[in-house]
Amino acid sequence: DAKTTQPNSMESNEEEPVHLPCNHSTISGTDYIHWYRQLPSQGPEYVIHGLTSNVNNRMASLAIAEDRKSSTLILHRATLRDAAVYYCILRDRMTDRDDKIIFGKGTRLHILP
Amino acid sequence: KAGVTQTPRYLIKTRGQQVTLSCSPISGHRSVSWYQQTPGQGLQFLFEYFSETQRNKGNFPGRFSGRQFSNSRSEMNVSTLELGDSALYLCASSGDRGSYEQYFGPGTRLTVT
Repeated sequence: DAKTTQPNSMESNEEEPVHLPCNHSTISGTDYIHWYRQLPSQGPEYVIHGLTSNVNNRMASLAIAEDRKSSTLILHRATLRDAAVYYCILRDRMTDRDDKIIFGKGTRLHILP
Repeated sequence: KAGVTQTPRYLIKTRGQQVTLSCSPISGHRSVSWYQQTPGQGLQFLFEYFSETQRNKGNFPGRFSGRQFSNSRSEMNVSTLELGDSALYLCASSGDRGSYEQYFGPGTRLTVT
């Protein structure tokens, strides 16, 4: 399985944008990039996913490098409620026609008031 | 629409006992997956059920088993509990296998003494 590398932790100030990086140098052409986050005392929740083009939704934006070897999850205006562990995950949509998610260690995001 | 529910939320068992955890997926969802989360190993995939059949299994001993009923509700069972089985057990559901988005429940916190 293609692996992802994320910083262990990051800090950001409230109401400022946050850029969470993810490296995936061995990504294959059919790997989608997914992001999930886990708030304290909750199960993970889906944030966003993409293949090649940048993606936006109500929660965040996903910026994907042209060579797809890295991506960045962007929270446009962080709030204290965004403090969570963020997981960057690769899923091969051609072969992974199942619901098995391989989670890494993720990035623990701290938001400073 | 109600989210994924898991019962019980907390459980304390002693070594050697067995335990059954329950998961009710979102109405209409047919795929249910189970994960174990510990501080040391993080989130690890246990198994996935779809249409009452186990479709995928993680790297766990045979003491861990599960099943899915015709109404898509799922149970997982751990026999001969060990101290290392203390963990947060999370259930996730999706509308169909391979869906981009999975919905996680709040988990069952199992403590083995």
